[in-house]
Amino acid sequence: DGGITQSPKYLFRKEGQNVTLSCEQNLNHDAMYWYRQDPGQGLRLIYYSQIVNDFQKGDIAEGYSVSREKKESFPLTVTSAQKNPTAFYLCASSNTQGGTEAFFGQGTRLTVV
Amino acid sequence: AQSVTQPDIHITVSEGASLELRCNYSYGATPYLFWYVQSPGQGLQLLLKYFSGDTLVQGIKGFEAEFKRSQSSFNLRKPSVHWSDAAEYFCAVGAEQAGTALIFGKGTTLSVSS
Repeated sequence: DGGITQSPKYLFRKEGQNVTLSCEQNLNHDAMYWYRQDPGQGLRLIYYSQIVNDFQKGDIAEGYSVSREKKESFPLTVTSAQKNPTAFYLCASSNTQGGTEAFFGQGTRLTVV
Repeated sequence: AQSVTQPDIHITVSEGASLELRCNYSYGATPYLFWYVQSPGQGLQLLLKYFSGDTLVQGIKGFEAEFKRSQSSFNLRKPSVHWSDAAEYFCAVGAEQAGTALIFGKGTTLSVSS
């Protein structure tokens, strides 16, 4: 079945450590996205990529980094510079035709202690 | 700039009653509009979408939404709510430009009482 796989589902890290969240898709989509979800805040865009080896900052990119070396993969690194990293992270993908819907993974809940 | 407002943070509806969730958008051109649903701890599932044409859009699970350009609204409706509809609902707007990210509202949490 085609879809988006995020791993792990739950992640615990100590404060000050970098951590990488995995996102893989087999939908053959060119565009991929990372959103952060906090209670009552909706989804806020962290980074997005329209094509391999290219990506753009979203509204809340500070303290995060990404790479897009393969079409299928778009990992997100939460660095120690992110002041409040505990959140639910959602990865999504879409084709690049204007106005098409995004397909979402099941999310990773990151807790920093 | 694009934006989406969902005025209701939390709504409680009795099982079997009708439902309407409100969504207002701000966008300079014809918007692409979406409704997604999220169960706790899960990803988002697309309920329906509007691109053009008929302003009343049918979706999955018995949901429908109506696009009203004059009111900049895209409200979600269901004639009879089931307990399994309890979830969080997000309205989103997209641009015509290829590969741009969807902009989401802050969501409405639906509770269903028996």
